[in-house]
Amino acid sequence: GAVVSQHPSRVICKSGTSVKIECRSLDFQATTMFWYRQFPKQSLMLMATSNEGSKATYEQGVEKDKFLINHASLTLSTLTVTSAHPEDSSFYICSASPRLAGLTDTQYFGPGTRLTVL
Amino acid sequence: TQLLEQSPQFLSIQEGENLTVYCNSSSVFSSLQWYRQEPGEGPVLLVTVVTGGEVKKLKRLTFQFGDARKDSSLHITAAQPGDTGLYLCAGTTSGTYKYIFGTGTRLKVLA
Repeated sequence: GAVVSQHPSRVICKSGTSVKIECRSLDFQATTMFWYRQFPKQSLMLMATSNEGSKATYEQGVEKDKFLINHASLTLSTLTVTSAHPEDSSFYICSASPRLAGLTDTQYFGPGTRLTVL
Repeated sequence: TQLLEQSPQFLSIQEGENLTVYCNSSSVFSSLQWYRQEPGEGPVLLVTVVTGGEVKKLKRLTFQFGDARKDSSLHITAAQPGDTGLYLCAGTTSGTYKYIFGTGTRLKVLA
């Protein structure tokens, strides 16, 4: 149980284009989803928190107009990197939390999406 | 800014050796998780600790949460090549579901 998928697993795009990454909770409803960015050989950095049906909360320094997050259902959140540039190349990881009462605040992580912007 | 510092940053050991990874902060956490991540994959949860002084064992891995809930350690006994990976601690503070990830410890176990 508690499986999170991401699609695509890898994407290469040209500079200036937009890329959409999907994050799905396959066997549970995710009230909250999180988007992280990970540079090579570094730890995960939280970009934003999204709650179903409401606007995402972005961490300091993350451009909300560049990284558009939509959490339209309890099983799907999307991250769109708009007007991508080479410096946006990174490993993007989502996580989902059921946030059910009485349980610890566990997050279940997706397998990640490798974005390369040429 | 809340920080979780992990040490050591890198560790290369021979198969069969023991090792300890530390995760330290000046902040108090309501829970702390340990993950292992392999290249090109997402982090995989190893354990969650929530009570100060708590010790949990997972086969050859022993996790401890500090009494003050500001630090944690991961001890691996008789390391194997399959233990190779990036080990990450992540803490949550009371009132928030956000994770603060540690700086990471890259472990390589040589056969």
